[in-house]
Amino acid sequence: AQTVTQSQPEMSVQEAETVTLSCTYDTSESDYYLFWYKQPPSRQMILVIRQEAYKQQNATENRFSVNFQKAAKSFSLKISDSQLGDAAMYFCAYRSAQTGTASKLTFGTGTRLQVTL
Amino acid sequence: EAGVTQFPSHSVIEKGQTVTLRCDPISGHDNLYWYRRVMGKEIKFLLHFVKESKQDESGMPNNRFLAERTGGTYSTLKVQPAELEDSGVYFCASSRLQPGPLAKNIQYFGAGTRLSVL
Repeated sequence: AQTVTQSQPEMSVQEAETVTLSCTYDTSESDYYLFWYKQPPSRQMILVIRQEAYKQQNATENRFSVNFQKAAKSFSLKISDSQLGDAAMYFCAYRSAQTGTASKLTFGTGTRLQVTL
Repeated sequence: EAGVTQFPSHSVIEKGQTVTLRCDPISGHDNLYWYRRVMGKEIKFLLHFVKESKQDESGMPNNRFLAERTGGTYSTLKVQPAELEDSGVYFCASSRLQPGPLAKNIQYFGAGTRLSVL
């Protein structure tokens, strides 16, 4: 079974600064997908960024980028130029590419990000 | 396009009572998932519907939990009778059922229902 580990329960960053959230995972599969989801307080959880394991190039979405290290099974999220609206709970998630056309997500325990002025 | 909607946003019940959670997926999304997050722990998969059929219910904790999706539209998750350990946030997610790279089958989540069993 796959597992996802987020070792930072809480992180804090000053506005306009850069922060990196860590995520490691364990799997015996070679083909899979990784995701970062963000949940602001009492609001919907939204997808921030995704990475296909077969792609070596790190995914980027505006101020959000990942450092995907497949051999090390590491998938960290970097947020540049942090904004107050980035404050949320961030979840790292794994999905197998092997099971039909849709598959369950395996999540980490989450990292709560605070953004200060 | 309306997002995934969950009702209620918060429910407080006593041990032994029954609670029903509802999820309205995004229109046209045939895949519907239920997940649960117990305080401080990871979000765990409960079950997966494809239209009205249960595709995978391996995460359902016990027979006190009953999920339905009549007509393949909205879904309900009933807990009967509720126990203290059922407290947590219940998330619903939906995605399109389509061929092609799995990365396109992005799961869209609701805001969750916070269940407190006293």
